[in-house]
Amino acid sequence: DTAVSQTPKYLVTQMGNDKSIKCEQNLGHDTMYWYKQDSKKFLKIMFSYNNKELIINETVPNRFSPKSPDKAHLNLHINSLELGDSAVYFCASRGAYEQFFGPGTRLTVL
Amino acid sequence: QKEVEQNSGPLSVPEGAIASLNCTYSDRVSQSFFWYRQYSGKSPELIMSIYSNGDKEDGRFTAQLNKASQYVSLLIRDSQPSDSATYLCAVNGGGTDKLIFGTGTRLQVFP
Repeated sequence: DTAVSQTPKYLVTQMGNDKSIKCEQNLGHDTMYWYKQDSKKFLKIMFSYNNKELIINETVPNRFSPKSPDKAHLNLHINSLELGDSAVYFCASRGAYEQFFGPGTRLTVL
Repeated sequence: QKEVEQNSGPLSVPEGAIASLNCTYSDRVSQSFFWYRQYSGKSPELIMSIYSNGDKEDGRFTAQLNKASQYVSLLIRDSQPSDSATYLCAVNGGGTDKLIFGTGTRLQVFP
């Protein structure tokens, strides 16, 4: 069974479009995250949610809006996509201390 | 100064040798330290965590932490070609559970 899953795996879209990425974890964890890994492979936190409540918002443009319908799900909606949004987006969930990553969504904005 | 620094490499070692990966961090209040392995096109995979000074061993992997020097390292004994990957050091930032990642060290193990 996959612990942290994301859909879609690949997303190719035009500038200006709106898109969503979904994440689900079956580990029973309370805390989930979104990370962005850019073309230079630098991995940076974007958001963290604990039991559906926003905990961390790392000065991400407000075109990015996370939503957590329940503690097992954390979705990421992106409005008005820009070229610079092209990256791999990883969802993660945390147990006691350790974070476990999903397979990633490669977003390409044309 | 970057919050978590790693040498980008590549670090090339022969099969069977010990690979030594290093990481320094700037936030003195950090309490949790992690090593992730990332194969090309894949997600980061947790391989070691360490929370107190000293060494922690798990199979061929040993993590070493020195909080006074703000230094954490990962040793991989009997390196295998399958260990070839990028190794990411991560540190919790600002006394929170937020992870700050280094830029990673690319390890190449040649037969």
